Amino acid sequence: AQSVTQPDIHITVSEGASLELRCNYSYGATPYLFWYVQSPGQGLQLLLKYLSGDTLVQGIKGFEAEFKRSQSSFNLRKPSVHWSDAAEYFCAVSTSGTYKYIFGTGTRLKVLA
Amino acid sequence: NAGVTQTPKFQVLKTGQSMTLQCAQDMNHEYMSWYRQDPGMGLRLIHYSVGAGITDQGEVPNGYNVSRSTTEDFPLRLLSAAPSQTSVYFCASRQTGGEGQPQHFGDGTRLSIL
Repeated sequence: AQSVTQPDIHITVSEGASLELRCNYSYGATPYLFWYVQSPGQGLQLLLKYLSGDTLVQGIKGFEAEFKRSQSSFNLRKPSVHWSDAAEYFCAVSTSGTYKYIFGTGTRLKVLA
Repeated sequence: NAGVTQTPKFQVLKTGQSMTLQCAQDMNHEYMSWYRQDPGMGLRLIHYSVGAGITDQGEVPNGYNVSRSTTEDFPLRLLSAAPSQTSVYFCASRQTGGEGQPQHFGDGTRLSIL
């Protein structure tokens, strides 16, 4: 069965430091991969997506993610974190042949001033 | 465009009561879905619809009903509320035409069952 794993439940970084959030998926074919961000009390906002082609994708708010087929990973990165990046981040995979998304359990990011 | 609109934003129910969570989108999206979000469990799919008159079950459908009479609206009904249904509920929509389409989410309904 398809699955998405976000191994880090909580991550704390200092403002200005770099960030990497991990995401691993289990899927037989090439998946469609997404990162969403959820601010407190809000819905989910799309940060970026990978559909095909270039394995390094750029998103909004200065985020990027790299698809590594050999590692079944789609890690989210940002070179310099801002206090406003504190939120919960979800990785998701869309499965070919169905309409369903599978979400990871999320990583909550705390940013220290 | 309002996007995806969910009402109410907050609701408290007593065990056994029924209620309907409303979801409307103005983007003419064919695909709509309901998720529940619980701590440490991410988002789990309750029901989804690929167009008016077509619905199907997701991962956790028990205790919930849906219908889709129009493209715009996709209400979620709790038949007899139970404390285990205390959660945050999100409605989402997206275009069809490929699984690579991103979903658009509402701001959620925070539901407490006493």
